Amino acid sequence: GAGVSQSPRYKVAKRGQDVALRCDPISGHVSLFWYQQALGQGPEFLTYFQNEAQLDKSGLPSDRFFAERPEGSVSTLKIQRTQQEDSAVYLCASSLTTTGDEQFFGPGTRLTVL
Amino acid sequence: GESVGLHLPTLSVQEGDNSIINCAYSNSASDYFIWYKQESGKGPQFIIDIRSNMDKRQGQRVTVLLNKTVKHLSLQIAATQPGDSAVYFCAEGGRTNNAGNMLTFGGGTRLMVKP
Repeated sequence: GAGVSQSPRYKVAKRGQDVALRCDPISGHVSLFWYQQALGQGPEFLTYFQNEAQLDKSGLPSDRFFAERPEGSVSTLKIQRTQQEDSAVYLCASSLTTTGDEQFFGPGTRLTVL
Repeated sequence: GESVGLHLPTLSVQEGDNSIINCAYSNSASDYFIWYKQESGKGPQFIIDIRSNMDKRQGQRVTVLLNKTVKHLSLQIAATQPGDSAVYFCAEGGRTNNAGNMLTFGGGTRLMVKP
């Protein structure tokens, strides 16, 4: 497909478990963003990559959150020792430009922490 | 799919009418604005964007108006169709520490189109 894909689409974790969420951006897109969307709210910025470099991680809510994009394409968002407040939809977006204009979003991963 | 926006402001319009969705933004330094449409269970879908050096931009059936004086953005949808029913978010692009456009989203408006 030509769009941004994310996997898994749904993830249920027990409190304290580690999870890994994957994002496949549109081929050739330089910029990649992760957002967190709580129910009934707009997405909130987590972190930003330009190619393989993580240039901004100011939105990550705690040091339990870690993101990587080692080859400048696929990205993984990892959450260690999950807590109930981590339950949300995690959205990935990619952009052709280095400034992140016209971001295209994936369908998101719905994380539920029990 | 899961529900997006359980308690959002709702705009209800008749099919074929024009819709206007409004948004107030906070950062007077923002120079890039975008409207997204989000259907239940899906990620936000890009509709149209506008830069701060413009006050109006038109797309297919959609127009975005930007009033920098009062920090207000609006999305006009012409001849609204049932497929336009969704939650609409405005977003402002703010430069990250290293120049990427992190988006700050507004609270969203649910558009319901009555047949």
